[in-house]
Formats: sequence, structure tokens, C-alpha cells
Amino acid sequence: GQQVMQIPQYQHVQEGEDFTTYCNSSTTLSNIQWYKQRPGGHPVFLIQLVKSGEVKKQKRLTFQFGEAKKNSSLHITATQTTDVGTYFCAESGAGSYQLTFGKGTKLSVIP
Amino acid sequence: NAGVTQTPKFRILKIGQSMTLQCTQDMNHNYMYWYRQDPGMGLKLIYYSVGAGITDKGEVPNGYNVSRSTTEDFPLRLELAAPSQTSVYFCASSYLAGGPGEQYFGPGTRLTVT
Repeated sequence: GQQVMQIPQYQHVQEGEDFTTYCNSSTTLSNIQWYKQRPGGHPVFLIQLVKSGEVKKQKRLTFQFGEAKKNSSLHITATQTTDVGTYFCAESGAGSYQLTFGKGTKLSVIP
Repeated sequence: NAGVTQTPKFRILKIGQSMTLQCTQDMNHNYMYWYRQDPGMGLKLIYYSVGAGITDKGEVPNGYNVSRSTTEDFPLRLELAAPSQTSVYFCASSYLAGGPGEQYFGPGTRLTVT
């Protein structure tokens, strides 16, 4: 796997505000996955993006894959306290069975 | 389906002791993985397996061993535990031909080596 950099490392938002986390690579990615980990829990798969420029939505969550397939973002509209946790992106090389995880963005939501 | 189960949930080891972390999945997945997660560091791949009898090293394999005698089970062995192996260990499984698909994680084992 390649190296993916996630920013920011931490984000504190007021409930109802939007939140975005970014995943960047210096090289072209084959695909990108996003996971959410609640405090004290285990990572849970959210989505996989494969195509250049792909945009997928899950209720208040919007996932994008850059046109050059070198970056991805996860945007949450109107955060709720249930959104608290750490969001990880993960990538694999073409044909690889291994995922390389970013360090994650820890989201805190202030009620 | 129970999904991916891991035992034990917590363990404290003394330096130099050995132990096996158990992982079982009941989804008939062919791919299985072991990760360790240190605070603020994301997940690092220790070992993985693409099927029974086939294992390979990940990013941080030193100090660990694995075996995969059945599709369901993928135990991780720690020999001569060291404080640097204090971490949370997650087992995961997936099923997709041609590359990694969605990974299903177990609840984790929290290991402290003192």
C-alpha cells in the first residue's frame, strides 16, 4: 500500500455544524475506503470509491474521490452527537489484498 | 451470524511471556487480517491470509506469527512479549476476488505488556 495523509487530525464542532476530513496521496490511488470507529469500538466500513470523480452519498455523509484519484474527502452535513468517532481512509494498490490506513480524523461534537 | 469474534477481550502479559490471540469468522470469507492500533496511529497490518494454508507478512510482522489451517480461524501468536507490543489488536475478514473489499472487524483485544 501507499502512504495516505489525513487532515485534520482532530476536529471539534458544534452540533449542527458541517465537518470535512481529507485524505491525500502523492501517487494515484486504485481505490479508497472509509471507516468509522466509535470510541472504544472497532472500525466499521462506510464506503468504497473506485472511479475518478466519484461522489456517493449516505444520508448526511458525502464521499468524493478526486478526478486525479489522488485525494478523497468525507463531508458530514449538520453533525449530530452520534457522528462522534474517528474516521479513517484506507487505500490499496491495484490488485493488492492489503489496506493501508491513514491516521484518522477524530471528530468531537459539542451538543 | 456472529461475524468476526476475538478472544480474549483484555489481557495483561509479563515481559517474555507468550500468548495466542484467537480470531474466528463465520462468514466464509477467504481473506483475513491482523492489525494493531496504537493511540493516534491508525491501524497497521501485521499479517494477512488469502485462504487456508496461505499467510503473508504485513507492515509490522516482527514478534508475531500466524497460521491459517481452516477458513474460519486465524490465530495470532506473540512469542516473548515486549512492552512495544502493548496495543489494541483487531482481526478482520473480507471476501472479494481481485482485491480488498469491505473489511469486517472483530471487537478487538486490548493487550498490555508490563
